[in-house]
Amino acid sequence: GAVVSQHPSWVICKSGTSVKIECRSLDFQATTMFWYRQFPKQSLMLMATSNEGSKATYEQGVEKDKFLINHASLTLSTLTVTSAHPEDSSFYICSAGGTVGSPLHFGNGTRLTVT
Amino acid sequence: GQNIDQPTEMTATEGAIVQINCTYQTSGFNGLFWYQQHAGEAPTFLSYNVLDGLEEKGRFSSFLSRSKGYSYLLLKELQMKDSASYLCAVRSNYQLIWGAGTKLIIKP
Repeated sequence: GAVVSQHPSWVICKSGTSVKIECRSLDFQATTMFWYRQFPKQSLMLMATSNEGSKATYEQGVEKDKFLINHASLTLSTLTVTSAHPEDSSFYICSAGGTVGSPLHFGNGTRLTVT
Repeated sequence: GQNIDQPTEMTATEGAIVQINCTYQTSGFNGLFWYQQHAGEAPTFLSYNVLDGLEEKGRFSSFLSRSKGYSYLLLKELQMKDSASYLCAVRSNYQLIWGAGTKLIIKP
């Protein structure tokens, strides 16, 4: 079946540094990729939707200058958390889909801890 | 606006059957998805409905009524490992609208 690879699975960084998270669709072309964050015991919170070759659409309250999303190809999207702060510590998950009616497939998530 | 409603939490007994409901109001409709998420893990795909009716997959079934904006996930012969959150999501063109998830607690 379709596989979405997310890397890294776990990262610790110092406050003020930037972290890049990659999301790759391994055996299909992902027209759309979604980025989520999830705090403990809470549901997924959609951060942004990115379509290949165009600018990402950010959800209300998500700072686009802080969470940089690039979807330069049909198999790769990246999320860069810039100038990370401890409150950015969370579980970040990407999902990818092909055509509009196809199921989405999730990466395994990235647990970010900012010290 | 667009929203999806599902119960926050449900409790059921091992071996029993449970139905998790989901109602939605969205501007468009390109399918409804159910996902299972265990604590600390990413969601896994369970089912996809785009036409009205029941889709059965082993112990899990999902039903859709587009005219009523309603879906349910039916879990039979519950096992302890089914304890998880179940997320309902509607795809509306290139948007995916998520419910808050239903935490299912299975008791022996």
